[in-house]
Amino acid sequence: AQSVAQPEDQVNVAEGNPLTVKCTYSVSGNPYLFWYVQYPNRGLQFLLKYITGDNLVKGSYGFEAEFNKSQTSFHLKKPSALVSDSALYFCAVRDMMGQGGKLIFGQGTELSVKP
Amino acid sequence: GAVVSQHPSRVICKSGTSVKIECRSLDFQATTMFWYRQFPKQSLMLMATSNEGSKATYEQGVEKDKFLINHASLTLSTLTVTSAHPEDSSFYICSARRADEAFFGQGTRLTVV
Repeated sequence: AQSVAQPEDQVNVAEGNPLTVKCTYSVSGNPYLFWYVQYPNRGLQFLLKYITGDNLVKGSYGFEAEFNKSQTSFHLKKPSALVSDSALYFCAVRDMMGQGGKLIFGQGTELSVKP
Repeated sequence: GAVVSQHPSRVICKSGTSVKIECRSLDFQATTMFWYRQFPKQSLMLMATSNEGSKATYEQGVEKDKFLINHASLTLSTLTVTSAHPEDSSFYICSARRADEAFFGQGTRLTVV
C-alpha cells in the first residue's frame, strides 16, 4: 500500500534560519510526490511536486524539496524562514493503484516560525 | 493556475437537517473530484471519489447514505450531509484533479448544533 509519513508533528524555527519539514514515503513503483501548505480554515495550496527528473524540485514561495530514492524521503526545505511561513504542511503521494489517482496525505507538520 | 471554488465556506445547521456543499472547477473540466474531511490539526481523510456521470466511490467506513455525492457535470460536484448530527461537525474539503496536479477548494466549516 502507498503511504507517507511525517515524523514531526511540529517544527519550530527562528525567522531567517533554514527550515526542513520531513517526509518519507512507501510506494510500489515510481512515486508521484507532493507538498501542500494549509493556512487556518483554508484549503490546501500546492507548493511543489516530484514526478520525474531532477531530484531537487523548486516550488512556490521559495520552497524546495529533495527526492532521495535510497532513503525514500522527500523533505521540504527553505533556506531562510519567514514568520508568514507558519502553517500546516502536508506531504502526499499519489495512489497509482486506486481509482482516479487519489492523494494519500501524511499526518501533517505544523511549522511555527518565530521572529 | 487552476481554481476550485467551494461553497459555502462556513455553515451552521440544526441537528437533523441536511446541508449541501458545492465544489466547482472554474477554469477546467474535472471528471474526478475528491471529498475530504479534516479534524482540527489533523490530516485529510478521504471520504469519497466523485466521478462525473456515475456513482461515487466511497472509502471504507464512510456511510454513502449519509454523505450523498452528486457529480452531474464536469465542473460541479456536491456533497450533501443528510440528517446532520453534532459529530458531523468538521472541515470538509474538495479537490479536483487536472493532469498531475490536484487543486483544492477553500474548505467548508460545518457546525451542527
